[in-house]
Amino acid sequence: DAGITQSPRHKVTETGTPVTLRCHQTENHRYMYWYRQDPGHGLRLIHYSYGVKDTDKGEVSDGYSVSRSKTEDFLLTLESATSSQTSVYFCAISEGGEQETQYFGPGTRLLVL
Amino acid sequence: AQSVTQLGSHVSVSEGALVLLRCNYSSSVPPYLFWYVQYPNQGLQLLLKYTSAATLVKGINGFEAEFKKSETSFHLTKPSAHMSDAAEYFCAVSATGGGNKLTFGTGTQLKVEL
Repeated sequence: DAGITQSPRHKVTETGTPVTLRCHQTENHRYMYWYRQDPGHGLRLIHYSYGVKDTDKGEVSDGYSVSRSKTEDFLLTLESATSSQTSVYFCAISEGGEQETQYFGPGTRLLVL
Repeated sequence: AQSVTQLGSHVSVSEGALVLLRCNYSSSVPPYLFWYVQYPNQGLQLLLKYTSAATLVKGINGFEAEFKKSETSFHLTKPSAHMSDAAEYFCAVSATGGGNKLTFGTGTQLKVEL
């Protein structure tokens, strides 16, 4: 299994509070991604990173920010959580290249009350 | 822009029967296509991928998929279903110049019955 961990694995928070999710890899892969998974929508890309301090928006980036200060860590922040951000969040990594496999972490289940 | 359509959000088969999960893609450039499997409360795991080397792609656990350009399809099959195949399956597409990003279908939940 690819060395990807996500923390926390489960979180319950209240509307309006900030939340930070962490993805950590031990594979030294260049690309890192954050997705959210919702019933009926599959996985949708939130943000991704193609190197330290290099990030770009995905399909559903509103309300989210990211940071990558080290190759191994990619943080996803919800500045002010809303109930619509209740979801399962997955981190993925890849070496880069459109034909390269993306490897997924175990996910973080977030509930915003 | 690329997109993927998975027909049938739920598919039910009997153990030992053929599994067929459908995936159609849209891409303006030659695509790379992926099938992932997700078991309950787990992340996604790659089953197989098409990268233009061969149109019939074999993956793990006895699954295979055939790329058909004329039909813009990449259907996933397995000759004989096993109870352990019960999971959710996602088709995804990426394309040259697409920024190393995957676009996923909405998933198909496979149920295997005795």
